[in-house]
Amino acid sequence: GQSLEQPSEVTAVEGAIVQINCTYQTSGFYGLSWYQQHDGGAPTFLSYNALDGLEETGRFSSFLSRSDSYGYLLLQELQMKDSASYFCAVRDEDAGNMLTFGGGTRLMVKP
Amino acid sequence: DTGVSQDPRHKITKRGQNVTFRCDPISEHNRLYWYRQTLGQGPEFLTYFQNEAQLEKSRLLSDRFSAERPKGSFSTLEIQRTEQGDSAMYLCASSKGQGDTQYFGPGTRLTVL
Repeated sequence: GQSLEQPSEVTAVEGAIVQINCTYQTSGFYGLSWYQQHDGGAPTFLSYNALDGLEETGRFSSFLSRSDSYGYLLLQELQMKDSASYFCAVRDEDAGNMLTFGGGTRLMVKP
Repeated sequence: DTGVSQDPRHKITKRGQNVTFRCDPISEHNRLYWYRQTLGQGPEFLTYFQNEAQLEKSRLLSDRFSAERPKGSFSTLEIQRTEQGDSAMYLCASSKGQGDTQYFGPGTRLTVL
């Protein structure tokens, strides 16, 4: 099976940088994805890493280390609108095309 | 591209009733997924279609749940003899090709009284 661990809550100040970590256990790993979900909204795709290293998309970056079964989402220049839940998700060869999501990290951005 | 749509957005039903939800994926996406999400948790995979073929089903999916995608376009998820534990947000997602980038609909919030 698959399991993912991420912190349940993170609080940061507007303009700061925050890192949300995700560790995973899978039997055959394809890649790690990150999704954002605002309260009452649908999950929205942010990024995907299949290979080791850093992927940057604007203020958001995502990192993966396959050897450590670890990844993180980095949010820079935090804005109030970034307050949301962030989920890491893995796809692995034993699970076909399904994504297995972590429990989510609730980010609160304060002024 | 109008995004993934789901109908209804909210459904309140009494225990024991049957309910059916509809999902319309992004038009060129051949893969469609159903997930269930409860408060404070991540989405849990229920089932997946490639075109009209249902290729994967979660062990979570009891025999009261059935899903179809008859023409490889829209999909329906039916829950028979609903139970209070079925109360959740039911999310539909679609993708083109591999499932790493999935586009989610707004969800159907089911409340079973």
